[in-house]
Amino acid sequence: AQRVTQPEKLLSVFKGAPVELKCNYSYSGSPELFWYVQYSRQRLQLLLRHISRESIKGFTADLNKGETSFHLKKPFAQEEDSAMYYCALSQGAQKLVFGQGTRLTINP
Amino acid sequence: DAGITQSPRYKITETGRQVTLMCHQTWSHSYMFWYRQDLGHGLRLIYYSAAADITDKGEVPDGYVVSRSKTENFPLTLESATRSQTSVYFCASSDTGTRGQFFGPGTRLTVL
Repeated sequence: AQRVTQPEKLLSVFKGAPVELKCNYSYSGSPELFWYVQYSRQRLQLLLRHISRESIKGFTADLNKGETSFHLKKPFAQEEDSAMYYCALSQGAQKLVFGQGTRLTINP
Repeated sequence: DAGITQSPRYKITETGRQVTLMCHQTWSHSYMFWYRQDLGHGLRLIYYSAAADITDKGEVPDGYVVSRSKTENFPLTLESATRSQTSVYFCASSDTGTRGQFFGPGTRLTVL
């Protein structure tokens, strides 16, 4: 079964420290993975797609097929990064299966 | 992203009542989705649609009905609301390709 696991429900780091939000997936085919972010009382926004290999707001994510992971990283956290982050896996027919989310808090 | 809107944004209803949540998108995206967001569960897919008049069940469809007579609209109906359907409901749309889904602002539904 296709599944996305985000092992940390809560993550708290200090401003300026590195951030890593973990995401592991199970999928038998060639995965398409995404990171979404939801700031307080706002809609979900697409942050990253693995296929584009881009860096958005200083965040990057590398697909590691051997470890079936797609961890989200940022070298220096900023207070505005505080949000809920969801990792998602495409199931085909444009459907996504989401992880349970990680609430990231950046402390000043 | 005014391209996808939801109404109402907040709704309080009583157990047993019928409730319809509206979703409208202006991008002419083929695919549309309904999710519910609950603490500890993340987002779970309720129903989705690949095109007008084509709908299919997601992970948690029980108690919900959808229709899609026009490409731009995808209403979600709770036929007889229950307290367990208290949640935040998100509508999303996407086109073909790998650009991901675009979400509406959400509807916070409370069933008393």
